[in-house]
Order: sequence, then structure tokens, then C-alpha cells
Amino acid sequence: EAGVAQSPRYKIIEKRQSVAFWCNPISGHATLYWYQQILGQGPKLLIQFQNNGVVDDSQLPKDRFSAERLKGVDSTLKIQPAKLEDSAVYLCASSSIQGFGETQYFGPGTRLLVL
Amino acid sequence: KNEVEQSPQNLTAQEGEFITINCSYSVGISALHWLQQHPGGGIVSLFMLSSGKKKHGRLIATINIQEKHSSLHITASHPRDSAVYICAVRRYGGSQGNLIFGKGTKLSVKP
Repeated sequence: EAGVAQSPRYKIIEKRQSVAFWCNPISGHATLYWYQQILGQGPKLLIQFQNNGVVDDSQLPKDRFSAERLKGVDSTLKIQPAKLEDSAVYLCASSSIQGFGETQYFGPGTRLLVL
Repeated sequence: KNEVEQSPQNLTAQEGEFITINCSYSVGISALHWLQQHPGGGIVSLFMLSSGKKKHGRLIATINIQEKHSSLHITASHPRDSAVYICAVRRYGGSQGNLIFGKGTKLSVKP
């Protein structure tokens, strides 16, 4: 079974530039998550999708971050414009059951460095 | 105070040693996950627990719901076990899919 795919693996941009990350979840997984992990900290949930609908985006900085999952499969996360403090690993995860105790499968992450 | 606390933050061990990583949490939970994160950012799910104990190879995970505490043990540690180990809990009754993560324990196993 193929895992969660993310691209790019690394991205370096200057502040105020825009950047987009892509995620392809495990086939058949209805739930997709984007996390931000700053160095030395645990992952922080940015947004959760169920199919193509948003379940939770309470911690997404909506003034600069946006995410979509138009067809309920692939997802993109965009930052516009980027700030220095956005430097982090952006992790995508998917799961097949939305409910207590389901297992989330993580992608390799996209490491963003904002200069 | 963080809702999920891990200890120690950093751990250095010699190959072959028995290792224990602890996780304490302050909220009611429906499940607890142990995750392994290698350099480069990829995360692997090791265990999902709601009670008792689970074993997979040299890894053992236990949870005590009454004490709100879980431990991850590694027997006969090996340099390839070097990684960051993260504890994450699903809050009981909270937003579906919303995990609360600890800050991780960085393990380095020396040959």
C-alpha cells in the first residue's frame, strides 16, 4: 500500500514570498490533516478535511494560510505571504475512519525555511 | 502547562540498553499514540493504545488510564532506534481527529 505522498520535500523562500505544498493521501482515506511542526515542538494541527469539507481549521492563520481539497483526494496548503516564523516542517496525514482511536498515517513532510 | 508532557526531553544510551520514555497527560482521552520521527521529518505510527499494553518486536507500550500515564520501552536498543519519539493523545469528547502532541523525546543510541 502506498503511503502519504508530499511534495516538495524541501523549500527555501524569502519572507513575503508565496509557497504551496501538495499532499496525496492514502487511497480511500476520507480524512486528511495538515500539521505544522516547528523545530523542538510537537506537531500542531492546522486544518482537518473530511472528504472535501473542512472539519476543523480553528488553528489555521487564515490571514496568510489557505488549504483546499477540491475533489476530496489531493490537498494543497498555501502560505501567502510567508513570514520568518513560518519556518517549520509541514506534515500531511490521512486516516480512513473519522472517530475515536483511528490511526493517522503521516507523509514525510515538507521542510520550509523562510529567510 | 502543556496537556501532554514527555520525559526525558533528550536521552543518550549505549547500544543494548533498556530504554524508557514517559508520557503524562492531564485530559481525559480516548486513545494515545506513540510516534517515531526520523531526521528529515517523516513520522511513523508505532502504537495506538486505549488500555493495557502492546508489544511489537523490541518495542513495548503501556498505559495506565487512572494515572494518566504511558510509557514506551525499547529493549536491546540499537543505533537505528535513534529518533524523536512523540506521544499524542486524542481528547475524549473533543474534536474528531484532533490530536494533542507532546514535544517529543530525542533518543540517541551510541554503538
